[in-house]
Amino acid sequence: QKEVEQDPGPLSVPEGAIVSLNCTYSNSAFQYFMWYRQYSRKGPELLMYTYSSGNKEDGRFTAQVDKSSKYISLFIRDSQPSDSATYLCAMSSVGAQKLVFGQGTRLTINP
Amino acid sequence: DTEVTQTPKHLVMGMTNKKSLKCEQHMGHRAMYWYKQKAKKPPELMFVYSYEKLSINESVPSRFSPECPNSSLLNLHLHALQPEDSALYLCASSPGLAGANKPGELFFGEGSRLTVL
Repeated sequence: QKEVEQDPGPLSVPEGAIVSLNCTYSNSAFQYFMWYRQYSRKGPELLMYTYSSGNKEDGRFTAQVDKSSKYISLFIRDSQPSDSATYLCAMSSVGAQKLVFGQGTRLTINP
Repeated sequence: DTEVTQTPKHLVMGMTNKKSLKCEQHMGHRAMYWYKQKAKKPPELMFVYSYEKLSINESVPSRFSPECPNSSLLNLHLHALQPEDSALYLCASSPGLAGANKPGELFFGEGSRLTVL
């Protein structure tokens, strides 16, 4: 079993739809939870960062962490074609120098 | 300035060549990383330098040789590579364990796309 599981998709939705992306994990030591966005032929960029459990909102993006279920989510409201990218969940534990990435979900928003 | 700069953006090399990938950051970060990314896969950690010392080597073959000349620079020396080493090589940096507002956050460069013939 992988430490972090993420459905690789691909996921294709119409413009304006609400998108839900999810990851599950097995390591209860993870405390820092991140979503990176990676456009084609570019490096990943940090989109959302959450420490421990709870929700965080930034514009059209909401990140949720449920540590009791070992489940994290990223919601994108009013999705735009410019949101088309690969979304990677990533997490780490306190003091760790390594991030553990999910497989990444390829998302396409159709105009 | 929140950039990690990688050169070259593209590199084609033969299996007998020696080449180097370069990475530079001026954010004062004390940890720097090399990742390898194959198509449709997540980044795979290769090396971590912390305060200019190699702290993690993920059992990478010796044909990849990292070097950290100073706190702003990171090199990856390549020699006798195989076609299966063709990938996007990503450099990243972070403030380091002692200075991070967001522990675990990495700042990635745009990558060097390597093709080995």
